[in-house]
Amino acid sequence: AQTVTQSQPEMSVQEAETVTLSCTYDTSESDYYLFWYKQPPSRQMILVIRQEAYKQQNATENRFSVNFQKAAKSFSLKISDSQLGDAAMYFCAYRRVRNNDMRFGAGTRLTVKP
Amino acid sequence: DAGVIQSPRHEVTEMGQEVTLRCKPISGHNSLFWYRQTMMRGLELLIYFNNNVPIDDSGMPEDRFSAKMPNASFSTLKIQPSEPRDSAVYFCASSFRTGARNEKLFFGSGTQLSVL
Repeated sequence: AQTVTQSQPEMSVQEAETVTLSCTYDTSESDYYLFWYKQPPSRQMILVIRQEAYKQQNATENRFSVNFQKAAKSFSLKISDSQLGDAAMYFCAYRRVRNNDMRFGAGTRLTVKP
Repeated sequence: DAGVIQSPRHEVTEMGQEVTLRCKPISGHNSLFWYRQTMMRGLELLIYFNNNVPIDDSGMPEDRFSAKMPNASFSTLKIQPSEPRDSAVYFCASSFRTGARNEKLFFGSGTQLSVL
């Protein structure tokens, strides 16, 4: 079975600074998707960024970017110019292309200090 | 579109009682997922359906848990009998599965279940 590991239960960053959240995954597949979701206190699950494994170029969405290392099965999220509104739980997720289920890591709680 | 709708938002019940959680996926979506979120384990996939058919229920913790999807617009997750360790937030999510590569999962707001 595929597993997703987030080794940092909690992280903190100073406002306007940069923080990197780690994620590793285990799979024997060659084609899959990777995601980062944000969950604020409202419980809403918000898609932050998505990466397709066949694409070598790292995905970027404004202040959010990823470092996708396929051989190392690593998928870290970098948040630049951190804002107070970035404080949330962040989940890394994996989804096979040929199947449909999405598996999540245990999450990293990010605190942003003013 | 109203998004994925879950009910109730909060449920408090006593140990041994039956609990039914409900989900209405986004119209037109053909895949539906039930997740459980706890502090210890994060988000766990319990079961998912494609075209109303259960595909993988290996995440369902025990026989006390059951899920149904009688039609494309409705699903239930039932716990009978409930136990305090079932206390968690239960999420329903849906997506549209095609041959396209960009499939986004849409989540409901979750049901906070407390079993006393």
